[in-house]
Amino acid sequence: EVQLVESGGDSVQPGGSLRLSCAASGFTFSSYAMTWVRQAPGKGLEWVSGISGSGDSTYYADSARGRFSISRDNSKNTLYLQMSGLRAEDTAVYYCAKVRSIMVRGVLDVWGKGTTVTVSS
Amino acid sequence: QTVVTQEPSFSVSPGGTVTLTCGLSSGSVSTSHFPSWYQQTPGQAPRTLIYSTDTRSSGVPDRFSGSILGNKAALTITGAQADDECDYYCVMYMGGGSWVFGGGTKLTVL
Repeated sequence: EVQLVESGGDSVQPGGSLRLSCAASGFTFSSYAMTWVRQAPGKGLEWVSGISGSGDSTYYADSARGRFSISRDNSKNTLYLQMSGLRAEDTAVYYCAKVRSIMVRGVLDVWGKGTTVTVSS
Repeated sequence: QTVVTQEPSFSVSPGGTVTLTCGLSSGSVSTSHFPSWYQQTPGQAPRTLIYSTDTRSSGVPDRFSGSILGNKAALTITGAQADDECDYYCVMYMGGGSWVFGGGTKLTVL
């Protein structure tokens, strides 16, 4: 069974940093691109960042570019999102989602259950 | 930046049929956008219903179907049931490694 389990969410002060992780199982992790999607309280879904299966290509939404860094460790079947310069508007549930391709394109087909990030003083 | 538009809310009677749509603020939806639909109940992660316009995800009942109607992607639910009452999101692949989600449709079954 394909499974994605996020962790690392926490409450942090504005300007702080946090690293999220997403442990993958049930599929050949390196053969698929991965993404992060977030959902602020009471709001809709927002794509944040994506990374190719090899890790060579990364992409960011404007809201994340320059502050967030996506990476992956294919030997550990784990996806990461390093977040810095956190703002109140980054408060959200962060989901990792598998892409149905080795490249960062197409379809987001499997989702984790999410991890919660709260940015507040 | 292109905005993906969805009806904010929709209502359907039990057993009825409803079609939710997903459009673009600029241009028409095509298969190259890989339009996909997700179902989300409160406090839960999104569940993939339809991907690549009209492919049902594993385990999704065939009363959920996807298509392109005119210049929009569409999700049709036939024989609506009470537990279909939740939020539905569409997403479009916009190229350059990025996706844009619609604002979601809150479906009421009454």
